[in-house]
Amino acid sequence: SAVISQKPSRDICQRGTSLTIQCQVDSQVTMMFWYRQQPGQSLTLIATANQGSEATYESGFVIDKFPISRPNLTFSTLTVSNMSPEDSSIYLCSALGTPDEQFFGPGTRLTVL
Amino acid sequence: GQNIDQPTEMTATEGAIVQINCTYQTSGFNGLFWYQQHAGEAPTFLSYNVLDGLEEKGRFSSFLSRSKGYSYLLLKELQMKDSASYLCAVRDPGSGAGSYQLTFGKGTKLSVIP
Repeated sequence: SAVISQKPSRDICQRGTSLTIQCQVDSQVTMMFWYRQQPGQSLTLIATANQGSEATYESGFVIDKFPISRPNLTFSTLTVSNMSPEDSSIYLCSALGTPDEQFFGPGTRLTVL
Repeated sequence: GQNIDQPTEMTATEGAIVQINCTYQTSGFNGLFWYQQHAGEAPTFLSYNVLDGLEEKGRFSSFLSRSKGYSYLLLKELQMKDSASYLCAVRDPGSGAGSYQLTFGKGTKLSVIP
């Protein structure tokens, strides 16, 4: 199984600023994803992070707001841009190691004031 | 469209057996996952079913019926540490960006009492 780490684990940010979240996997993985979990809710997919090309975003999420990078098979970043209180959430990185196992990082708890 | 339903909350007694049901209606199907999530923590992978039938892993078993759009997670010999939310997620290749993305239900909060 893949072990996923995320930095930072939590942050409190001011409205209008941006935060970049890093995700590191301990082995090469085929696919990486970014999810959001708002308070009391289940997980929602933001985008698929594609290695060496632009991420694929789900409906309701756009690159200008959530730019994503994936420079190699073990690392990805998600930036939450021009933050507002509605962006307060837990952001989770996920990796697909084999077709039947998908793992999640510990999450980044973001609070926007 | 996509719809994944599971009960919001369940309570069971330590040492007992509990079954958490999940029904789904999705445009496609490429596997169903169950995750355990303790409060404030990330989801932990429990099981994956892509063919009909029962998959057993220790105290946890998961069942799938694709024709009925139905799955359940069975927890045996419940322990206090099993108190958590249990998330049902479907891999739906027709739902958007790729073949491996997951669509999650809202989760079932299980409380295990002495």
